[in-house]
Amino acid sequence: RKEVEQDPGPFNVPEGATVAFNCTYSNSASQSFFWYRQDCRKEPKLLMSVYSSGNEDGRFTAQLNRASQYISLLIRDSKLSDSATYLCVVNRGATNKLIFGTGTLLAVQP
Amino acid sequence: DTEVTQTPKHLVMGMTNKKSLKCEQHMGHRAMYWYKQKAKKPPELMFVYSYEKLSINESVPSRFSPECPNSSLLNLHLHALQPEDSALYLCASSQDRTSGAASDNEQFFGPGTRLTVL
Repeated sequence: RKEVEQDPGPFNVPEGATVAFNCTYSNSASQSFFWYRQDCRKEPKLLMSVYSSGNEDGRFTAQLNRASQYISLLIRDSKLSDSATYLCVVNRGATNKLIFGTGTLLAVQP
Repeated sequence: DTEVTQTPKHLVMGMTNKKSLKCEQHMGHRAMYWYKQKAKKPPELMFVYSYEKLSINESVPSRFSPECPNSSLLNLHLHALQPEDSALYLCASSQDRTSGAASDNEQFFGPGTRLTVL
């Protein structure tokens, strides 16, 4: 079983749609959780950290369920510019070693 | 704009060449990382430097040799690479506190060096 699992997609959605990505992790000692975004042939960019109480940044909402070891990302009112690969990332225990999911490809269509 | 810079952006080298990749960060971070990323795969950790000391080596072949001259700089020396080493090499930096707070583990990536080994 992979340490961080994501649906690879692709998710093809029309502009304005709401889309949700899910991720599960296997190491219960993990303490930090993130969503990164990666455009084709570019570096990963931090989209948001995920906190236990859930957090929102504009159109983006992240949720964490420690009991189920599950992380989600909700994107509302999708824009063409949201098209990218979204990486679920978890630290391994109390370390600064990050484990990346395989990523979910999002394509927002006009 | 990234505050982690990497040079060169592209590098083509033969299997007998010696080259170096360079990374610099200006965020006062004390942890720096090298990752390798192949097409359509997530980044794979290679090395971690914490306070200028090598803290993690993910069983990387010795043809890759990291160096951390100071807290802002990270190099990756390459020698006798193989064609399968062709990939995007990413540098990242972060704070180096294991407080459990997500903000302490946020890693910021440079734009990468796209390496081709012939």
